[in-house]
Amino acid sequence: AQKVTQAQTEISVVEKEDVTLDCVYETRDTTYYLFWYKQPPSGELVFLIRRNSFDEQNEISGRYSWNFQKSTSSFNFTITASQVVDSAVYFCALSEAASGGYNKLIFGAGTRLAVHP
Amino acid sequence: DGGITQSPKYLFRKEGQNVTLSCEQNLNHDAMYWYRQDPGQGLRLIYYSQIVNDFQKGDIAEGYSVSREKKESFPLTVTSAQKNPTAFYLCASSIEPGARQPQHFGDGTRLSIL
Repeated sequence: AQKVTQAQTEISVVEKEDVTLDCVYETRDTTYYLFWYKQPPSGELVFLIRRNSFDEQNEISGRYSWNFQKSTSSFNFTITASQVVDSAVYFCALSEAASGGYNKLIFGAGTRLAVHP
Repeated sequence: DGGITQSPKYLFRKEGQNVTLSCEQNLNHDAMYWYRQDPGQGLRLIYYSQIVNDFQKGDIAEGYSVSREKKESFPLTVTSAQKNPTAFYLCASSIEPGARQPQHFGDGTRLSIL
C-alpha cells in the first residue's frame, strides 16, 4: 500500500540555519510522482515541486533544494539560510499513475517548521 | 487573477444542521477535490470530481455530499450524519485528473460545532 512518512513533527531553527525536512514513501508502482507543498499560517497549500519516478536529478530553486533517492525511497527538502517567512507546515505527497486515472494524492502528516529571528 | 475561492472562511454548525461550503475556481481546471485536515494530520480526501456531472467518493465520504453542475463550482455539504465535522476543509483543482498534475488549493474553510 502507498504511504508517506514525515517523521519530523516539528523543527525549530534560528534564522540563517540550513534545515532539511525528511520524506520517506512506500509504493509498489514503478511510475509515480512526488510533491512538496507549503502551508503557511493563512491555510492554503502552496505547490512547491513535483518529481517523477524516472527523474532522480536533484533540483535547486533559490534557497530550496530537493534530494530524490529511489534506493532509499526518500525525497528530502532542504532550505538553505532559512528565513522567518519559511515558517510553515510542509507536506510531502505521493501520487501513483496506476490509481485508476485520477490524481489521488497521499499526504504525509506534515512537518511544522518554525524559524526564529 | 486565476485561483480557487473558498467561502466562508469560518463556519459554525448547530446540532442536526446541514451546512454547505463553497468552492469556485476560474482556472478552467477539469478536476476538483475536497480534503479534510485535522490537527497534526495530513489531508484526507473526501470527494473528487474528474469532470462536470461526475464525482466519486474518496477515503472519508461518509456524512458528506457534493455536486458538480458547473465546471467552476464544487460545493461540499456537511450533513448531520457527520458526527465529528470540526476540521479545516480544503478545496483543490487540477488541470486534468492525471497523477502527474499538481493540485492547486484554496485557502480553506474552518468548520466548528456550536
